[in-house]
Amino acid sequence: SQTIHQWPATLVQPVGSPLSLECTVEGTSNPNLYWYRQAAGRGLQLLFYSVGIGQISSEVPQNLSASRPQDRQFILSSKKLLLSDSGFYLCAWREATGASSYEQYFGPGTRLTVT
Amino acid sequence: AQSVTQLGSHVSVSEGALVLLRCNYSSSVPPYLFWYVQYPNQGLQLLLKYTSAATLVKGINGFEAEFKKSETSFHLTKPSAHMSDAAEYFCAVSRTGGFKTIFGAGTRLFVKA
Repeated sequence: SQTIHQWPATLVQPVGSPLSLECTVEGTSNPNLYWYRQAAGRGLQLLFYSVGIGQISSEVPQNLSASRPQDRQFILSSKKLLLSDSGFYLCAWREATGASSYEQYFGPGTRLTVT
Repeated sequence: AQSVTQLGSHVSVSEGALVLLRCNYSSSVPPYLFWYVQYPNQGLQLLLKYTSAATLVKGINGFEAEFKKSETSFHLTKPSAHMSDAAEYFCAVSRTGGFKTIFGAGTRLFVKA
């Protein structure tokens, strides 16, 4: 069966510091990978998605970036955090396009507080 | 373009009462439709999905949803609410060949004792 991991679970960082959040998926190959953010009391905002190693699509231009160095690893980064980057970050995976089902499976999330 | 509208950001029901969470979608092609549940400080969990098979879809925890093409709706129901159903629920739509899933804004369900 497939599992998805995210770490860290919680993070408190000062404004202007760098960020690195990691997501890994087990039990599948060549998945589509996604990063979402939930601000307090808000819905899901798609930040980035990837259909393969090194292939990143950005949905929201901002001071965040994403990378996919390995097939089942997805990293969210920032060089300098802003207060507005606070939120709950969710990683998700889905079978590659062309598969029989399109549901996404979510990780447990990372709670980021920028102070 | 696809979109999802969830009617009601908050819904409150009494324990044992019917749960009805409303979702309307817009899609120019046959959609895939989903309901997810999110408990506080957790990721989203898939409740059920519609993929053009049966229009009445049964999911986990006693939830079900009915796809109504004429009404472009995919409402979520449960005959009898339980305290453990208190959570946020998201309706979502995707399409064949698409990379993205479009999520509704969410409906928070409160269950009163």
